[in-house]
Amino acid sequence: DGGITQSPKYLFRKEGQNVTLSCEQNLNHDAMYWYRQDPGQGLRLIYYSQIVNDFQKGDIAEGYSVSREKKESFPLTVTSAQKNPTAFYLCASSIGDAQPQHFGDGTRLSIL
Amino acid sequence: AQSVTQPDIHITVSEGASLELRCNYSYGATPYLFWYVQSPGQGLQLLLKYFSGDTLVQGIKGFEAEFKRSQSSFNLRKPSVHWSDAAEYFCAVGVQAAGNKLTFGGGTRVLVKP
Repeated sequence: DGGITQSPKYLFRKEGQNVTLSCEQNLNHDAMYWYRQDPGQGLRLIYYSQIVNDFQKGDIAEGYSVSREKKESFPLTVTSAQKNPTAFYLCASSIGDAQPQHFGDGTRLSIL
Repeated sequence: AQSVTQPDIHITVSEGASLELRCNYSYGATPYLFWYVQSPGQGLQLLLKYFSGDTLVQGIKGFEAEFKRSQSSFNLRKPSVHWSDAAEYFCAVGVQAAGNKLTFGGGTRVLVKP
């Protein structure tokens, strides 16, 4: 079955530590996205990539970094510069413009 | 700047009753629109989409939505709610040729009473 796999499901970060969230898709989609979801709020776009080796900042990119070295993978690093990282992170992919985005099951990041 | 508003944060409905969730958007161009549903701790599942054409669109799980350009609205409806419909619902809007970036509303949490 095609889909998007996010790992781990739960992640804990210590102060001053960088952590990386994994997102893999086997849908052969060109575009991939990272969102942050806080309780009672909608999704906010962190970064997106429309093609391999290229990505753009979303609305809340500060304190995050990404790479897109392979079509199927779009890892997100939450750096120590992100002062409030506790949130639910969702990865999505899309076949192209004006097409629905398909979502993974998310990673919940908490601070130790 | 574009925005999406879901005016109702919570809605409680009795099982078997009808449901309508509101979505209003503010966009300069002709948008395309989606409704997604999220169960606790899960990702988002697409319920339906509107790109063009017939303004009444049918989705999965018995949901439908109507696009009203004059009111900048895309409300979601279901004639008879089941207990399994308890979840959070998100409206999302995008503009073509904008990198397929979507703007999401804040969500509406639906509670279903037996």
